[in-house]
Amino acid sequence: AQKITQTQPGMFVQEKEAVTLDCTYDTSDQSYGLFWYKQPSSGEMIFLIYQGSYDEQNATEGRYSLNFQKARKSANLVISASQLGDSAMYFCATTRGYQKVTFGIGTKLQVIP
Amino acid sequence: NAGVTQTPKFRVLKTGQSMTLLCAQDMNHEYMYWYRQDPGMGLRLIHYSVGEGTTAKGEVPDGYNVSRLKKQNFLLGLESAAPSQTSVYFCASSLRPGSSYEQYFGPGTRLTVT
Repeated sequence: AQKITQTQPGMFVQEKEAVTLDCTYDTSDQSYGLFWYKQPSSGEMIFLIYQGSYDEQNATEGRYSLNFQKARKSANLVISASQLGDSAMYFCATTRGYQKVTFGIGTKLQVIP
Repeated sequence: NAGVTQTPKFRVLKTGQSMTLLCAQDMNHEYMYWYRQDPGMGLRLIHYSVGEGTTAKGEVPDGYNVSRLKKQNFLLGLESAAPSQTSVYFCASSLRPGSSYEQYFGPGTRLTVT
């Protein structure tokens, strides 16, 4: 069975600083995907970034990058130049096929002015 | 495009009552999903559909039924609501399952069962 572990219930970061949100995963699949989603206080789920298990380069999307370390089964999200609007819950998820979608319990990020 | 919409946004039910949550997407996505989100537990997959007329069980299907009579709609039914089904329900859709195709989420339905 797949499992996602997010060990940081809450994180604080100063505005304009970078922050890393941790995610480790456990899967026996050879081919899988890793996602990060953002959930602001308004409640919607917003896709941020994707990394495929066979992708050799770390994924980047604007200020978001995914630090993928396959051997350690780690898929940390790095947010550079934090903004007040980055304050939200962040969920890591892994998936291979529609029947194996597993989300972590999330990390609450608060950006301090 | 409206994306993924959910109806209703809020609902309060008494134990034993039934209701149907409606999810609609206008992106012509083949795959649709229902999740529930509970505090401290992230999102858990209830049921999913890989196309019109097909449905399958996810991680926590008990107490729920679904139907996908039209490609754009995915209905989640509670036949006899229980307090344990108090949760926020999210619908999502994707062009393809898993892989690099992210899921687009609806705004959620907050359900309280008393």
